[in-house]
Amino acid sequence: EAGVVQSPRYKIIEKKQPVAFWCNPISGHNTLYWYRQNLGQGPELLIRYENEEAVDDSQLPKDRFSAERLKGVDSTLKIQPAELGDSAVYLCASSPLMGGRSSYNEQFFGPGTRLTVL
Amino acid sequence: TQLLEQSPQFLSIQEGENLTVYCNSSSVFSSLQWYRQEPGEGPVLLVTVVTGGEVKKLKRLTFQFGDARKDSSLHITAAQPGDTGLYLCAGRDGTASKLTFGTGTRLQVTL
Repeated sequence: EAGVVQSPRYKIIEKKQPVAFWCNPISGHNTLYWYRQNLGQGPELLIRYENEEAVDDSQLPKDRFSAERLKGVDSTLKIQPAELGDSAVYLCASSPLMGGRSSYNEQFFGPGTRLTVL
Repeated sequence: TQLLEQSPQFLSIQEGENLTVYCNSSSVFSSLQWYRQEPGEGPVLLVTVVTGGEVKKLKRLTFQFGDARKDSSLHITAAQPGDTGLYLCAGRDGTASKLTFGTGTRLQVTL
């Protein structure tokens, strides 16, 4: 079974430029997460989708970040314009819905996209 | 905002030594998970603990959930170089909808 796929794996851009990350979750997983992870720290949730609905985007900096999951499968996360402080690894994860909730479920992570903003 | 503080932040030990990593919070969690992350990869789930006082063993790794469900520990016996990585605890809140990750413990095991 294929895992969570993310692309690109690495991205280097200059500040003020736009950037987009793509994620394809594990087949059949209804819930999709985007996290940001700074070096040596734990991931911080940016947004969580259940199918195509964003059910928690409270930590997403909406002035420059946007995300979409139009058909409830793959997802894109965009930053426009990027700032120096956006340099981090952006992780995508997915989990199945069980009993109508994603509680207690294991989250399966992709390898991440390492973004460097110069 | 629920915070999970892990200690130590860094740990460098030799093969064969034992170690304990702590995960502490002032908040109560409905469940707690431990993940290990290797360079260039995403975190991988090791264990989920749900009941206060619960102890789970995974080969040389022993996980304990505090009685009050506010803290947890990970003990590794006879560490091996393959144990090297970033260890992350993660707690679910009462609604079980959000997973909050800890600050991480970076472990290096050398020969």
